[in-house]
Amino acid sequence: NAGVTQTPKFQVLKTGQSMTLQCAQDMNHEYMSWYRQDPGMGLRLIHYSVGAGITDQGEVPNGYNVSRSTTEDFPLRLLSAAPSQTSVYFCASSYTGYEQYFGPGTRLTVT
Amino acid sequence: AQSVAQPEDQVNVAEGNPLTVKCTYSVSGNPYLFWYVQYPNRGLQFLLKYITGDNLVKGSYGFEAEFNKSQTSFHLKKPSALVSDSALYFCAVRGSPNAGGTSYGKLTFGQGTILTVHP
Repeated sequence: NAGVTQTPKFQVLKTGQSMTLQCAQDMNHEYMSWYRQDPGMGLRLIHYSVGAGITDQGEVPNGYNVSRSTTEDFPLRLLSAAPSQTSVYFCASSYTGYEQYFGPGTRLTVT
Repeated sequence: AQSVAQPEDQVNVAEGNPLTVKCTYSVSGNPYLFWYVQYPNRGLQFLLKYITGDNLVKGSYGFEAEFNKSQTSFHLKKPSALVSDSALYFCAVRGSPNAGGTSYGKLTFGQGTILTVHP
């Protein structure tokens, strides 16, 4: 099993550009989540999904969209990048109520 | 709303001494509690969890945690610290699946505690 994979590992965007961060898991987990990690802020939940076709907002959803058309994939879309979205983004997945498995992260810089 | 507090930004201990990293939580219903560790420039790694049962939970790398329902705490402990334990530690909570809705899919993290073990 590859576990949770994220692409790209690094990305630089200009303000106003859009992009999609990819996340995939091969463990047949129902739950998938996106977090951003900023210095001194810990991990903050952006969006999460409890199954294909079901998504919900987390703590900091503004400026981000998600969809969950399959169990395996959970892409995160930045609609119009802003410098405040400079961060490290982590995707995670899990079975019901159990520990989450995290991907390696995407380091995004918006200039 | 569920929340987690890690009251110490940093914990410093000498190698060989016991360590404790504190965590308190707030959640509706029965809590599912987790500890994760993050090494520099890496993703988070799972250490241990409390779902139900014995209040003392043992996990990876010799770590353990004690669930205290009355104090709503889940402190991480290790009897003898190693320099290699130096890392960023996160406590997290999610609601149990029978809480209803989709909120049980939501994992909330504390701010993290930097553990430094000195030789």
